[in-house]
Formats: sequence, structure tokens, C-alpha cells
Amino acid sequence: DVVMTQSPLSLPVTLGQPASISCRSSQSLVHSDGNTDLNWFQQRPGQSPRRLIYKVSNRDSGVPDRFSGSGSGTDFTLKISRVEAEDVGVYYCMQGTHWPPWTFGQGTRVEIK
Amino acid sequence: QVQLVESGGGVVQPGGSLRLSCAASGFIFSIYGMHWVRQAPGKGLEWVAFIHSYEASDRFYADSVKGRFTISRDNSRNTLHLQMNSLRPEDTAVYYCVTNQDGIDDWGQGTLVTVST
Repeated sequence: DVVMTQSPLSLPVTLGQPASISCRSSQSLVHSDGNTDLNWFQQRPGQSPRRLIYKVSNRDSGVPDRFSGSGSGTDFTLKISRVEAEDVGVYYCMQGTHWPPWTFGQGTRVEIK
Repeated sequence: QVQLVESGGGVVQPGGSLRLSCAASGFIFSIYGMHWVRQAPGKGLEWVAFIHSYEASDRFYADSVKGRFTISRDNSRNTLHLQMNSLRPEDTAVYYCVTNQDGIDDWGQGTLVTVST
């Protein structure tokens, strides 16, 4: 199974400042078809998860452009250019290249300083 | 828009059974695969099971539930199910119904399953 490792697990940030979350996979997430199925999800307190980014760098509909995804192979990053209060929550990376199983990172808790 | 409404959660004793359901609307249910993903209290996300669209015989399970849980679907009623048998305390979690239209994408609000004496 592919193991997804996120860092940091806790991220205190100042409003208006940037934030960055790293996600590493135990093997390359490049599929034989050339696609890389690496996704980012946001889970606000008391809510269901919501997908923000799919296939490394594509923002889902309605996701603010302050969120961006990048990376390749085994190393991926989610960046928030300027953190807003509504960004508080837990962020998960997830791979869908080598399934089953689909595997998630442990989650990174973003909080305001 | 996509709507997924889970039901069937509750409190059950260890060794007991529960059947979860997910009513889907707002998309063509029959042509997409579907997942169940769970989240234990205060913990992260764990994929549980997946079923393909038309070929509903193609089903996949996490090792932690294999042999105890069965995912199924009724395309005529736009409904997804999860039959959970031989439940254990470690199965306690919120269970989410999730679409697979373009990878794992839309999530329901979840239903809580508590396995306890």
C-alpha cells in the first residue's frame, strides 16, 4: 500500500500570511497513463471533507485562487497564499493512482495564531 | 448539484450488524463508481470500500473490513449501501458516502456508527 506522509501535522499561521503543507508518498504517484492522482481535501470544524485540488494542481470549482497545488513523483505541496479565518481546519492529501486502497495522509491542522 | 444523504447509523453491540444507505441525487448515479470512507472520532480519514458503476461485481475493500462489510448499489433507486457485520469497537466512526466522478470528489454529511456495549 502507498503510505502518504504529511508535514507539519500542526500549522499555526498568522492571518494574511502564507502557509505550506508537504505531502510525500512512499512510491511515485505517476500512473501508467501519465496522470498523477494526488488530491487535497479541506475539512473545516464540524463539516465533511471537501476536495480543493485534484491531479496535483487543478482547483475544484468554487475554490479560491489563494489555494494552489504543486509537485511531482513523490513530493507534493499545498500552498495558501494568504490565510483567511475560514481556512481553519484539517487538510488531507490523498492518492488514487495505486488502488486499492486509496490512501490518505494523517492530516495537517491549520489554526490561527 | 450533487447531494448525498447517508442514513442507518446508530449504536450497536460488538458482533452486531448495521446497514448504511446513501441516497444520491443531482448526477447520473448509475455511471459512476462510489466509495465509503470513514473517520473515527478525532482521527483521520480511512477509505473503506469502492464499487464500480455498471459492473457492480467489481468491488474493493480495505483489509480492515474485508470479509465483514459488503458494499452494494441499486441503480434503479440511486442508492448506495454498506452492510456491516461482525462489528468491532474499532469500527466506530462517521461513515461518508463519496462519489468517484473524477477521482474521489463529492462527500455526504456522514452517519455515525458507534460499536459499544
